[in-house]
Amino acid sequence: QQQVKQSPQSLIVQKGGISIINCAYENTAFDYFPWYQQFPGKGPALLIAIRPDVSEKKEGRFTISFNKSAKQFSLHIMDSQPGDSATYFCAASKPPDKLIFGTGTRLQVFP
Amino acid sequence: SAVISQKPSRDICQRGTSLTIQCQVDSQVTMMFWYRQQPGQSLTLIATANQGSEATYESGFVIDKFPISRPNLTFSTLTVSNMSPEDSSIYLCSVELYRGNGYTFGSGTRLTVV
Repeated sequence: QQQVKQSPQSLIVQKGGISIINCAYENTAFDYFPWYQQFPGKGPALLIAIRPDVSEKKEGRFTISFNKSAKQFSLHIMDSQPGDSATYFCAASKPPDKLIFGTGTRLQVFP
Repeated sequence: SAVISQKPSRDICQRGTSLTIQCQVDSQVTMMFWYRQQPGQSLTLIATANQGSEATYESGFVIDKFPISRPNLTFSTLTVSNMSPEDSSIYLCSVELYRGNGYTFGSGTRLTVV
């Protein structure tokens, strides 16, 4: 019940396209859902986060969509750029409990 | 957000030796977290370190193998003891500066055991 399932494992998108990464959780007590971006040789960096009282949150080209009834949330990267090429992790928690991370998605954006 | 300095950034160590990783935060924080990230994998929490008390370890991780110190509110160390090649991973420390503000990660220590 503590798992967060993430898909796809890898994603190839052309520059300017939309990248979509999906996550599903089981524990209905989770109330904090962040997305992290990790470049090679770096630690994960918080990209955007959402709480279950809203269905969507947008920051620049990055949007989280949240479906509480389906226990799913997704990251949309609009107008994907080569600089977005990184590994993306979704996560979930009920603070102050620990973050539970998804398995990660390696995104490659080609020019 | 907090700024975390983690040292060393990488090391190559002999089997059977120990390595101590340092994590310095530019703000006082109650809890510090230590994670392991095996090559190409997700992050796994090793333990949570509170200042002034013993660290709380996750299932599969023990104090004898991963002793942690937390002498003050801005600093912590993780030691990887009696290393084997299976310990080759990236080790990361993390903090949450304010409740609900998101967790900040250090840049990690890439450990290779030969």
